Amino acid sequence: EVLLVESGGGLVKPGGSLRLSCTASGFTFSTCSMNWVRQAPGQGLEWVSSISGSNNYIYYADSLQGRFTISRDNAKNSLYLQMNSLRADDTAVYYCARETGTDAFDIWGQGTMVTVSS
Amino acid sequence: SYVLTQPPSVSVAPGTTARITCGGDNIGIKSVHWYQQKPGQAPLLVIYYDSDRPSGIPERFSGSNSGNPATLTISRVEAGDEADYYCQVWDSSSDHWVFGGGTKLTVL
Repeated sequence: EVLLVESGGGLVKPGGSLRLSCTASGFTFSTCSMNWVRQAPGQGLEWVSSISGSNNYIYYADSLQGRFTISRDNAKNSLYLQMNSLRADDTAVYYCARETGTDAFDIWGQGTMVTVSS
Repeated sequence: SYVLTQPPSVSVAPGTTARITCGGDNIGIKSVHWYQQKPGQAPLLVIYYDSDRPSGIPERFSGSNSGNPATLTISRVEAGDEADYYCQVWDSSSDHWVFGGGTKLTVL
Protein backbone atom coordinates (compact mmCIF):
# COMPACT_ATOMS: atom_id res chain seq x y z
CA GLU A 1 0.00 0.00 0.00
CA VAL A 2 1.27 3.45 -0.92
CA LEU A 3 1.36 5.53 2.23
CA LEU A 4 2.65 8.83 3.55
CA VAL A 5 2.67 9.47 7.29
CA GLU A 6 3.51 12.87 8.74
CA SER A 7 4.74 13.49 12.26
CA GLY A 8 6.34 16.20 14.36
CA GLY A 9 3.50 18.68 14.66
CA GLY A 10 2.50 20.28 17.93
CA LEU A 11 2.25 23.48 19.92
CA VAL A 12 5.16 25.91 19.68
CA LYS A 13 5.66 29.48 20.86
CA PRO A 14 6.13 32.34 18.39
CA GLY A 15 9.75 32.50 17.31
CA GLY A 16 10.25 28.81 17.99
CA SER A 17 11.24 25.98 15.69
CA LEU A 18 9.75 22.67 14.67
CA ARG A 19 10.81 19.85 12.36
CA LEU A 20 8.17 17.90 10.50
CA SER A 21 8.78 14.45 9.07
CA CYS A 22 6.98 12.45 6.41
CA THR A 23 7.70 8.74 6.07
CA ALA A 24 6.87 7.06 2.79
CA SER A 25 6.16 3.42 2.04
CA GLY A 26 4.89 1.30 -0.82
CA PHE A 27 6.72 3.07 -3.66
CA THR A 28 10.20 4.01 -4.82
CA PHE A 29 10.62 7.19 -2.82
CA SER A 30 13.87 8.34 -4.44
CA THR A 31 12.26 8.69 -7.87
CA CYS A 32 9.47 11.03 -6.77
CA SER A 33 9.41 14.74 -6.18
CA MET A 34 7.79 15.54 -2.85
CA ASN A 35 5.90 18.53 -1.55
CA TRP A 36 4.65 20.18 1.61
CA VAL A 37 1.22 21.83 1.49
CA ARG A 38 -0.44 23.56 4.42
CA GLN A 39 -3.98 24.53 5.30
CA ALA A 40 -4.75 27.10 7.95
CA PRO A 41 -7.94 26.49 9.97
CA GLY A 42 -10.98 27.12 7.78
CA GLN A 43 -8.81 28.20 4.86
CA GLY A 44 -7.72 26.80 1.51
CA LEU A 45 -4.65 24.87 0.44
CA GLU A 46 -1.31 26.68 0.29
CA TRP A 47 1.73 25.11 -1.37
CA VAL A 48 4.81 25.43 0.85
CA SER A 49 7.79 23.72 -0.78
CA SER A 50 8.94 21.11 -3.30
CA ILE A 51 12.03 18.94 -3.58
CA SER A 52 13.01 16.72 -6.49
CA GLY A 53 13.85 13.06 -6.03
CA SER A 54 17.59 13.59 -6.30
CA ASN A 55 17.64 16.94 -4.45
CA ASN A 56 18.49 18.78 -7.67
CA TYR A 57 15.55 21.15 -7.44
CA ILE A 58 14.13 22.85 -4.37
CA TYR A 59 11.43 25.50 -4.43
CA TYR A 60 9.70 27.55 -1.74
CA ALA A 61 6.62 29.70 -1.52
CA ASP A 62 7.50 33.39 -1.31
CA SER A 63 5.46 33.79 1.88
CA LEU A 64 7.96 31.72 3.87
CA GLN A 65 10.64 34.43 3.60
CA GLY A 66 13.48 31.94 4.04
CA ARG A 67 12.31 30.56 7.37
CA PHE A 68 11.60 26.98 6.22
CA THR A 69 13.97 24.36 4.81
CA ILE A 70 12.86 21.23 2.95
CA SER A 71 15.09 18.16 2.82
CA ARG A 72 14.90 14.44 2.26
CA ASP A 73 16.76 11.24 3.11
CA ASN A 74 16.11 8.72 0.37
CA ALA A 75 17.82 5.96 2.35
CA LYS A 76 15.19 6.43 5.06
CA ASN A 77 12.28 7.11 2.69
CA SER A 78 11.74 10.34 4.57
CA LEU A 79 10.89 13.95 3.81
CA TYR A 80 11.46 16.79 6.26
CA LEU A 81 10.45 20.39 6.81
CA GLN A 82 12.53 22.45 9.22
CA MET A 83 10.48 25.44 10.33
CA ASN A 84 12.20 28.33 12.11
CA SER A 85 11.05 31.73 13.42
CA LEU A 86 7.49 30.44 13.54
CA ARG A 87 4.64 32.93 13.55
CA ALA A 88 0.98 32.69 14.44
CA ASP A 89 0.05 32.67 10.76
CA ASP A 90 2.07 29.47 10.29
CA THR A 91 -0.63 27.67 12.28
CA ALA A 92 -2.01 25.03 9.94
CA VAL A 93 -2.31 21.38 9.09
CA TYR A 94 0.80 20.44 7.15
CA TYR A 95 0.47 17.73 4.49
CA CYS A 96 3.18 15.97 2.57
CA ALA A 97 2.25 14.96 -0.95
CA ARG A 98 3.84 12.86 -3.67
CA GLU A 99 4.26 14.39 -7.10
CA THR A 100 4.04 11.84 -9.87
CA GLY A 101 5.09 11.79 -13.49
CA THR A 102 1.74 13.38 -14.22
CA ASP A 103 2.96 16.38 -12.21
CA ALA A 104 -0.06 16.16 -9.94
CA PHE A 105 -0.10 15.35 -6.23
CA ASP A 106 -1.50 11.85 -6.33
CA ILE A 107 -0.81 10.69 -2.78
CA TRP A 108 -1.25 12.77 0.38
CA GLY A 109 -0.53 12.06 4.01
CA GLN A 110 -3.13 12.54 6.71
CA GLY A 111 -1.53 15.79 7.85
CA THR A 112 0.06 17.01 11.06
CA MET A 113 -1.19 20.03 12.99
CA VAL A 114 1.17 22.86 13.86
CA THR A 115 -0.09 25.47 16.31
CA VAL A 116 1.98 28.58 16.96
CA SER A 117 0.74 30.32 20.08
CA SER A 118 2.05 31.77 23.31
CA SER B 1 2.57 35.94 -8.90
CA TYR B 2 0.11 33.72 -10.72
CA VAL B 3 -3.43 33.70 -9.38
CA LEU B 4 -6.18 31.11 -9.84
CA THR B 5 -9.73 32.31 -9.25
CA GLN B 6 -12.55 29.97 -8.21
CA PRO B 7 -16.12 30.78 -7.13
CA PRO B 8 -16.42 30.39 -3.34
CA SER B 9 -19.48 28.21 -3.62
CA VAL B 10 -21.61 26.20 -6.02
CA SER B 11 -24.95 24.62 -5.12
CA VAL B 12 -26.78 22.00 -7.14
CA ALA B 13 -29.58 19.49 -6.65
CA PRO B 14 -28.83 15.77 -6.60
CA GLY B 15 -28.80 14.20 -10.04
CA THR B 16 -27.93 17.43 -11.82
CA THR B 17 -24.61 18.67 -13.15
CA ALA B 18 -22.16 20.81 -11.19
CA ARG B 19 -19.60 22.98 -12.95
CA ILE B 20 -16.74 24.51 -11.00
CA THR B 21 -14.57 27.03 -12.78
CA CYS B 22 -10.93 27.99 -12.36
CA GLY B 23 -9.71 31.16 -14.02
CA GLY B 24 -6.17 32.34 -14.59
CA ASP B 25 -4.06 34.24 -17.09
CA ASN B 26 -3.50 32.06 -20.18
CA ILE B 27 -4.67 29.04 -18.21
CA GLY B 28 -5.36 27.22 -21.47
CA ILE B 29 -1.63 26.65 -21.95
CA LYS B 30 -1.17 25.17 -18.50
CA SER B 31 -2.04 21.74 -17.16
CA VAL B 32 -4.77 21.98 -14.55
CA HIS B 33 -5.22 19.49 -11.74
CA TRP B 34 -8.29 19.22 -9.49
CA TYR B 35 -8.60 17.99 -5.91
CA GLN B 36 -11.57 17.07 -3.76
CA GLN B 37 -11.36 17.61 -0.02
CA LYS B 38 -14.02 16.44 2.42
CA PRO B 39 -14.11 17.74 6.02
CA GLY B 40 -11.34 16.34 8.16
CA GLN B 41 -9.71 14.53 5.25
CA ALA B 42 -6.66 15.06 3.10
CA PRO B 43 -7.20 16.24 -0.47
CA LEU B 44 -7.85 13.64 -3.16
CA LEU B 45 -6.74 14.02 -6.77
CA VAL B 46 -9.80 13.73 -9.03
CA ILE B 47 -8.56 15.17 -12.35
CA TYR B 48 -5.02 15.64 -13.68
CA TYR B 49 -3.69 17.08 -16.94
CA ASP B 50 -6.93 19.02 -17.48
CA SER B 51 -9.15 16.00 -18.13
CA ASP B 52 -7.59 12.69 -17.07
CA ARG B 53 -9.05 10.70 -14.20
CA PRO B 54 -6.94 8.71 -11.73
CA SER B 55 -7.86 5.11 -11.18
CA GLY B 56 -10.90 4.82 -8.93
CA ILE B 57 -12.41 8.21 -9.72
CA PRO B 58 -15.92 7.86 -11.17
CA GLU B 59 -16.53 8.78 -14.80
CA ARG B 60 -18.99 11.37 -13.51
CA PHE B 61 -15.96 13.58 -12.89
CA SER B 62 -14.55 15.29 -15.97
CA GLY B 63 -12.43 18.29 -16.75
CA SER B 64 -11.80 20.69 -19.59
CA ASN B 65 -9.33 23.46 -20.28
CA SER B 66 -9.85 24.92 -23.72
CA GLY B 67 -9.49 28.47 -22.51
CA ASN B 68 -10.32 30.66 -19.58
CA PRO B 69 -11.68 29.29 -17.34
CA ALA B 70 -10.81 25.66 -16.86
CA THR B 71 -13.79 23.67 -15.65
CA LEU B 72 -14.42 20.66 -13.44
CA THR B 73 -17.74 19.03 -14.28
CA ILE B 74 -19.49 16.58 -12.00
CA SER B 75 -22.41 14.83 -13.66
CA ARG B 76 -25.31 13.18 -11.82
CA VAL B 77 -24.20 14.77 -8.58
CA GLU B 78 -24.57 12.70 -5.43
CA ALA B 79 -24.71 13.72 -1.79
CA GLY B 80 -21.27 12.18 -1.33
CA ASP B 81 -19.78 14.69 -3.78
CA GLU B 82 -20.32 17.49 -1.29
CA ALA B 83 -16.81 18.79 -0.60
CA ASP B 84 -14.34 21.56 -1.27
CA TYR B 85 -12.71 21.47 -4.70
CA TYR B 86 -9.37 23.06 -5.57
CA CYS B 87 -7.68 23.63 -8.90
CA GLN B 88 -3.89 23.68 -9.20
CA VAL B 89 -1.29 24.60 -11.81
CA TRP B 90 2.47 24.88 -12.04
CA ASP B 91 3.62 28.43 -12.67
CA SER B 92 6.83 28.01 -14.64
CA SER B 93 7.66 31.72 -14.50
CA SER B 94 8.11 31.55 -10.73
CA ASP B 95 8.71 27.81 -10.23
CA HIS B 96 5.79 27.72 -7.83
CA TRP B 97 2.78 25.49 -7.46
CA VAL B 98 -0.43 27.52 -7.24
CA PHE B 99 -3.79 26.47 -5.81
CA GLY B 100 -7.07 28.19 -6.41
CA GLY B 101 -8.95 29.47 -3.40
CA GLY B 102 -11.33 26.52 -3.42
CA THR B 103 -15.01 26.04 -4.16
CA LYS B 104 -17.45 24.58 -1.68
CA LEU B 105 -19.89 22.30 -3.49
CA THR B 106 -23.22 22.00 -1.71
CA VAL B 107 -25.69 19.32 -2.74
CA LEU B 108 -29.14 20.67 -1.94
